[in-house]
Amino acid sequence: ETGVTQTPRHLVMGMTNKKSLKCEQHLGHNAMYWYKQSAKKPLELMFVYSLEERVENNSVPSRFSPECPNSSHLFLHLHTLQPEDSALYLCASSQEGSGGPYEQFFGPGTRLTVL
Amino acid sequence: GQNIDQPTEMTATEGAIVQINCTYQTSGFNGLFWYQQHAGEAPTFLSYNVLDGLEEKGRFSSFLSRSKGYSYLLLKELQMKDSASYLCAVLDSNYQLIWGAGTKLIIKP
Repeated sequence: ETGVTQTPRHLVMGMTNKKSLKCEQHLGHNAMYWYKQSAKKPLELMFVYSLEERVENNSVPSRFSPECPNSSHLFLHLHTLQPEDSALYLCASSQEGSGGPYEQFFGPGTRLTVL
Repeated sequence: GQNIDQPTEMTATEGAIVQINCTYQTSGFNGLFWYQQHAGEAPTFLSYNVLDGLEEKGRFSSFLSRSKGYSYLLLKELQMKDSASYLCAVLDSNYQLIWGAGTKLIIKP
């Protein structure tokens, strides 16, 4: 396994479903991120975990619930989503506290469609 | 507020040179990144500038002027595989990455 992996790559769900996105990093990093990417809009940072503690939550609706059981794994639990939540969800990792440049390595993303 | 501006789309010819500009207004500055993202794929790191000047890496170069809040990515000897979106991002005073919306680069034969 290399880099950052995400599963599933594609997900179609109804508004009443519950699903989870999974991310795993094999780089030994100590920080992980969830981003939302919508067409022609900047990447939106959703959650940041540093040393397995959530340090950022940018006013994300409660229908998105992150979980970071250890420094290598990150989940995004989804429930009662809305059609406007359809987007590409990207996971990233980085090594914090190393003096920079804090480059983030991205997974391939999960293309989510909410019907 | 914090803001990153870059053109939405650019078109260039195979073999030519293209410059993608990025201007930023952020609370503090701890470096500027350029990422490349092919359609349906993950963004991948291209360059990092924290000091003024030009950083060259093969066919790609990145320039930074902190006093002007300005950077550009220069791509030389364009190839068809360079067709992608190019994302500019600034690390602010809290070491949080602020992202631009990306520039879609279309390469024509």
